[in-house]
Amino acid sequence: DTGVSQDPRHKITKRGQNVTFRCDPISEHNRLYWYRQTLGQGPEFLTYFQNEAQLEKSRLLSDRFSAERPKGSFSTLEIQRTEQGDSAMYLCASSWTSGRVRDTQYFGPGTRLTVL
Amino acid sequence: DAKTTQPTSMDCAEGRAANLPCNHSTISGNEYVYWYRQIHSQGPQYIIHGLKNNETNEMASLIITEDRKSSTLILPHATLRDTAVYYCIVRVYGPGGGADGLTFGKGTHLIIQP
Repeated sequence: DTGVSQDPRHKITKRGQNVTFRCDPISEHNRLYWYRQTLGQGPEFLTYFQNEAQLEKSRLLSDRFSAERPKGSFSTLEIQRTEQGDSAMYLCASSWTSGRVRDTQYFGPGTRLTVL
Repeated sequence: DAKTTQPTSMDCAEGRAANLPCNHSTISGNEYVYWYRQIHSQGPQYIIHGLKNNETNEMASLIITEDRKSSTLILPHATLRDTAVYYCIVRVYGPGGGADGLTFGKGTHLIIQP
């Protein structure tokens, strides 16, 4: 257990529905990352926050995806109008950085999304 | 961040040392080598990282060649619980340059045989 928690662990939804996932990072970590992992592939970076500011978004993050970290603690990732191609494991990671160096990222257990 | 090349899969007998190679021939001077592993249906687990000196922790040892173009992760006494996909990642570890997200390849599927 790394100390990063994700909820729910599994989500089954129908195409067209909206879903929201939550990530709670390690408490003193100021950076929070979201990744997506499809079957047989390594995780792919989606976006990250430093405190409450969203600093980078991958081109994989379509307009249907939105992420927030309102108080610089937990984060949510929402997918609107889900499509079958959104079926994947969504991973959250956190790290602490002073800004001078990039620190090690620790991952949560992931949320597995199945879109029917 | 530089790309890495790893074998698709490897077998190792339980109790023996597992040596996982990684090629990163285009690595830059300010890029570190990181290793993560992912046991089936779990999130990736950090193992170790290094710049140019060999590193050891409670999980593994990391040997980086002098020219830094390749490295080897060593699990000294592999157990069945070490069966996982192992990812070698190179990443800038300093201000400026490179992406902050990790770039994972497909990794090496290590299977520990009883």
